[in-house]
Amino acid sequence: DGGITQSPKYLFRKEGQNVTLSCEQNLNHDAMYWYRQDPGQGLRLIYYSQIVNDFQKGDIAEGYSVSREKKESFPLTVTSAQKNPTAFYLCASSAGQPYNEQFFGPGTRLTVL
Amino acid sequence: AQSVTQPDIHITVSEGASLELRCNYSYGATPYLFWYVQSPGQGLQLLLKYFSGDTLVQGIKGFEAEFKRSQSSFNLRKPSVHWSDAAEYFCAVGFTGGGNKLTFGTGTQLKVEL
Repeated sequence: DGGITQSPKYLFRKEGQNVTLSCEQNLNHDAMYWYRQDPGQGLRLIYYSQIVNDFQKGDIAEGYSVSREKKESFPLTVTSAQKNPTAFYLCASSAGQPYNEQFFGPGTRLTVL
Repeated sequence: AQSVTQPDIHITVSEGASLELRCNYSYGATPYLFWYVQSPGQGLQLLLKYFSGDTLVQGIKGFEAEFKRSQSSFNLRKPSVHWSDAAEYFCAVGFTGGGNKLTFGTGTQLKVEL
């Protein structure tokens, strides 16, 4: 089955540590996205990539970094510079053509201890 | 910049009753619009989408939505709600040339009373 996988489902981190969230898709989509979800705030875009080896900052990129070395993979690193990293993180992908909808992974819940 | 407003944070309906979730957007050009549903701790699932053409669109699980350009709205409806519809619902808007980015509303939490 085609889809998006995110791992791990739950992640615990100590303050001051960097942590990387995995996102893999086998939909052959060009575009991929990372969102942060906090209660009452909807989804906020962190980074997005429309093609391999290229990515752009979203609305809340500070304290995060990404890479896009392969079409199917778009890992997100939450760095120690992110002041409030506890949240639910969602990865999505789309075919990259105009109007195409985004498909979402199951999410990773990150908790900073 | 475009924005999406979902004015109802929480809605409670009785099972079998009709449902309407409101969504308003702010953008000058013709948008393309989506409704997604999210169960607790899960990702988002697409319910329906509007790009052009017929302003009344049908989706999965018996949902429909109507695009009203004059009101900048894209309200989601269901004639008879089932207990399994309890979830959070998000409206999203994109536009041509927007790099396939979507702007999401803050969501409406639906509770269904049995």
